[in-house]
Amino acid sequence: EAQVTQNPRYLITVTGKKLTVTCSQNMNHEYMSWYRQDPGLGLRQIYYSMNVEVTDKGDVPEGYKVSRKEKRNFPLILESPSPNQTSLYFCASRARQGFEKLFFGSGTQLSVL
Amino acid sequence: AQTVTQSQPEMSVQEAETVTLSCTYDTSESNYYLFWYKQPPSRQMILVIRQEAYKQQNATENRFSVNFQKAAKSFSLKISDSQLGDTAMYFCAFMRYQGGSEKLVFGKGMKLTVNP
Repeated sequence: EAQVTQNPRYLITVTGKKLTVTCSQNMNHEYMSWYRQDPGLGLRQIYYSMNVEVTDKGDVPEGYKVSRKEKRNFPLILESPSPNQTSLYFCASRARQGFEKLFFGSGTQLSVL
Repeated sequence: AQTVTQSQPEMSVQEAETVTLSCTYDTSESNYYLFWYKQPPSRQMILVIRQEAYKQQNATENRFSVNFQKAAKSFSLKISDSQLGDTAMYFCAFMRYQGGSEKLVFGKGMKLTVNP
């Protein structure tokens, strides 16, 4: 089954403790991206990657890091989480020319205390 | 900068009725894509419908159709014969892709409740 897998689904952590949210897709997609969703703000793009070793900033990249060493994986790294990073996070992928279909993961609800 | 505006934060409709969700956007681009996504309580993001800006014909998907007015930069979603399963958050989104750079912008969302 074609899917984007995010882990974990829920995460509670404390300020300053480094964490990684994993994202993996099994569709051989070139493009992957991360979004955060906050009430009243919709989804905002954090980072995206057009292919292996190619990443670029979205609208809200501060406080986040990403890497794309393999085509299937695109982890989101919070080196020193802060409470304002408490949010619902989504990973997504699509084929290079597949603008009609963005596949989303199930989301990760992160709480930073 | 591209922006997407959903002016109605919340709406409710009776089952089997028709409802229209509004969306406006701002861009200087001529070639772009527009989307409506649905997010039910399960949090899953589900693509409802998409429109390519260069196509004049309005997109339709079963009970869902759009009214795309390029000059007015308007992209409204019409849901016909509303069903209880249509209850969800709905997000309008704009995307442009140019020379390896992409911009995807979502509106703030609109909560739709379908009442029995």
